[in-house]
Amino acid sequence: AQSVTQPDIHITVSEGASLELRCNYSYGATPYLFWYVQSPGQGLQLLLKYFSGDTLVQGIKGFEAEFKRSQSSFNLRKPSVHWSDAAEYFCAVGPMIKAAGNKLTFGGGTRVLVKP
Amino acid sequence: DAGVTQSPTHLIKTRGQQVTLRCSPISGHKSVSWYQQVLGQGPQFIFQYYEKEERGRGNFPDRFSARQFPNYSSELNVNALLLGDSALYLCASSGTSLRSPGELFFGEGSRLTVL
Repeated sequence: AQSVTQPDIHITVSEGASLELRCNYSYGATPYLFWYVQSPGQGLQLLLKYFSGDTLVQGIKGFEAEFKRSQSSFNLRKPSVHWSDAAEYFCAVGPMIKAAGNKLTFGGGTRVLVKP
Repeated sequence: DAGVTQSPTHLIKTRGQQVTLRCSPISGHKSVSWYQQVLGQGPQFIFQYYEKEERGRGNFPDRFSARQFPNYSSELNVNALLLGDSALYLCASSGTSLRSPGELFFGEGSRLTVL
């Protein structure tokens, strides 16, 4: 069965500092990996995705993530965080079903707090 | 263009009641999925519909049902509500964009509280 683990429940970072969120997955085939962000009371917004090819993927809002097959990881990074980055971040894995859409398995999330 | 719209945004029910949640996908999208997000957890897959047919079901009891209409909108029904059904219910739609095949676009959810 597929699963996603986000080891850090909460992370506090100072504004302007770098941020790295960890994600480890278990999946029986080539995974399709995603990072979503959720602001309080809101739905999920896609930050970036990895399907194939270059293992370093760029996303929106200055985020990037690196796929490491040997470590079954897909960590999210941002060089310099802004106060508006305070939110909950979810890593997800799923099969590629192009027409019908992905069925995603989500991690438990990491809540990011940004100190001024 | 309008995104995924869900209604109602908030609702309160009592144990044993039934609830219907509604979702309108992005125009042109033929797939709708439903996810349950309990407070403090990640979303869990409930159902997926494509072209009005059920294409997948998560590990949820038969009290949960859904359907998709000819205009691709969808309803999620939950019968005999339990306290544990309190959650944010998220709807997501997906199209056939070559740039982003299979990508899910989420609505803002329906917050259900069961008392």
